[in-house]
Amino acid sequence: GENVEQHPSTLSVQEGDSAVIKCTYSDSASNYFPWYKQELGKRPQLIIDIRSNVGEKKDQRIAVTLNKTAKHFSLHITETQPEDSAVYFCAASIGNQGGKLIFGQGTELSVKP
Amino acid sequence: GAVVSQHPSRVICKSGTSVKIECRSLDFQATTMFWYRQFPKQSLMLMATSNEGSKATYEQGVEKDKFLINHASLTLSTLTVTSAHPEDSSFYICSALRTATSYGYTFGSGTRLTVV
Repeated sequence: GENVEQHPSTLSVQEGDSAVIKCTYSDSASNYFPWYKQELGKRPQLIIDIRSNVGEKKDQRIAVTLNKTAKHFSLHITETQPEDSAVYFCAASIGNQGGKLIFGQGTELSVKP
Repeated sequence: GAVVSQHPSRVICKSGTSVKIECRSLDFQATTMFWYRQFPKQSLMLMATSNEGSKATYEQGVEKDKFLINHASLTLSTLTVTSAHPEDSSFYICSALRTATSYGYTFGSGTRLTVV
């Protein structure tokens, strides 16, 4: 089955710096890659996603890149702010309109003022 | 926007009793419901996938007789933790896949289960 590896597990940056979180997936049939932000005790919130027919997607300070050949995808947050501090999860899914989402292990991001 | 209502948000139960968690899609039809469990400081681990009107598919290592899933309608899915034990204490969260919407995953707000 699908397996998603995420690194690093913790990341601390200064406010204004960039943060990069990386994931790899095992199943080459995966075709949908969302990123979620989760605050303690809350549901995951979708922050950006990318489909397998696209290499890069950007939304203001957040971008995601996908390398299908290497089975890697990454989240890039620029100009980080303290409110970006949270746990971030990558995920991968197989299926035309959505199959089961398999999550990475999570990255605890801390943005220091 | 699409909303999934999950209840209860918190529940404390005695060891050996059963607890039912309900997820209801309020303004859309959910062909598929995914159930996850999340232990503190860990990831969301998929427990099972249910499709309306059919039996759930459980992930490896998840006891189907302990975690009963019912998806009787396109708007309601339930997870019952039977004979709960302290090690079942966790955060349980559902995710509904919207009918005819590509990758339309909507998460419930989660249920914090504590078994004493």
